Amino acid sequence: DTEVTQTPKHLVMGMTNKKSLKCEQHMGHRAMYWYKQKAKKPPELMFVYSYEKLSINESVPSRFSPECPNSSLLNLHLHALQPEDSALYLCASSQGGDSYEQYFGPGTRLTVT
Amino acid sequence: GQSLEQPSEVTAVEGAIVQINCTYQTSGFYGLSWYQQHDGGAPTFLSYNGLDGLEETGRFSSFLSRSDSYGYLLLQELQMKDSASYFCAPRIDSYKLIFGSGTRLLVRP
Repeated sequence: DTEVTQTPKHLVMGMTNKKSLKCEQHMGHRAMYWYKQKAKKPPELMFVYSYEKLSINESVPSRFSPECPNSSLLNLHLHALQPEDSALYLCASSQGGDSYEQYFGPGTRLTVT
Repeated sequence: GQSLEQPSEVTAVEGAIVQINCTYQTSGFYGLSWYQQHDGGAPTFLSYNGLDGLEETGRFSSFLSRSDSYGYLLLQELQMKDSASYFCAPRIDSYKLIFGSGTRLLVRP
């Protein structure tokens, strides 16, 4: 199984809502990532978890809160988002620190109204 | 800071060869990755150069020159399905990739 799955595929939320994005992989990978991608732009790294510990936070606003409940799961909790947060949110995983290949999920397309 | 340059768009005909160049200036450097992304799809890994030289994977090859801070992706025997965006992505530490702005490749019949 070389797949990263993400749910939901699409999400529309108001600025006062709280929602969560979910990511799962069963490849035994020990590093997991959240990226944000705006239309016609490259993916931008948000967070990295390594061995279930947060190792990189790219100065992301606190309205985005990541969580790694176990080595296969990664969540992104969303609260009080702004319309400019509308984007494709991509999850990725890799074997670990020595691995250069990242496997991406299909993403969650988020619209904030 | 980080600086990456790659062409914004390239057009080629089916069966041809195309080269997408990437120059970079980064605060750290482990190697250079290339990713492909179709419209509406996820980025998929194509190639990685950790050392100088050429890496070949089927119709795709990638080259790196560390001394010139330069790399390229070479796509041979172009097919319509190769129409996509291609990102060079220097790996600047164990986990961190910095994606370039992307090159949109259009393959025409």
